Amino acid sequence: NAGVTQTPKFQVLKTGQSMTLQCAQDMNHEYMSWYRQDPGMGLRLIHYSVGAGITDQGEVPNGYNVSRSTTEDFPLRLLSAAPSQTSVYFCASSSNEGTGGGYTFGSGTRLTVV
Amino acid sequence: EDQVTQSPEALRLQEGESSSLNCSYTVSGLRGLFWYRQDPGKGPEFLFTLYSAGEEKEKERLKATLTKKESFLHITAPKPEDSATYLCAVRPSGNTPLVFGKGTRLSVIA
Repeated sequence: NAGVTQTPKFQVLKTGQSMTLQCAQDMNHEYMSWYRQDPGMGLRLIHYSVGAGITDQGEVPNGYNVSRSTTEDFPLRLLSAAPSQTSVYFCASSSNEGTGGGYTFGSGTRLTVV
Repeated sequence: EDQVTQSPEALRLQEGESSSLNCSYTVSGLRGLFWYRQDPGKGPEFLFTLYSAGEEKEKERLKATLTKKESFLHITAPKPEDSATYLCAVRPSGNTPLVFGKGTRLSVIA
């Protein structure tokens, strides 16, 4: 059971470039989320999805797009990378929120924008 | 606004020296409080969920407790392998995902 798989693990981008961070889960979880983690800031929610075809914005959505065409995949797109988007990005998934299962996190993507 | 505050930011303990980490929260309709462990370079790993005041959960040297305003993670006789960052998160009402605190970085020295 792979759990939550994030690719790539590391990426360096130039300012203005675009890219997609991939996230896939094999647990048939309805809920998926993207967080970024910066020193001293904790985990901040970027976008989330409560099921295929449904997405919503979190605390820091600017500069990012998401879509959820399947239950398994939840890619995060950086439209025009900026140095402020240098961070570690985590994808997480969960079964029905009401039953309170803990989130399963991927191992993260470390992104540097130069 | 839903908010989670963890203290202290960092804690250094000698092996065997028990202590507690604090998580204070304000939330609109608590649907659960979560504790995670995060090792350097890795994603957070789920530890506990607590739902109501008075509830306690235990796992090895860790025990989590919950009141109406805060949660504690008690660490009994810690070992160096307990060194990690411990994250607290709350789930508000509705479909809003977890809101995280900034974490407590624990170092246990042999």
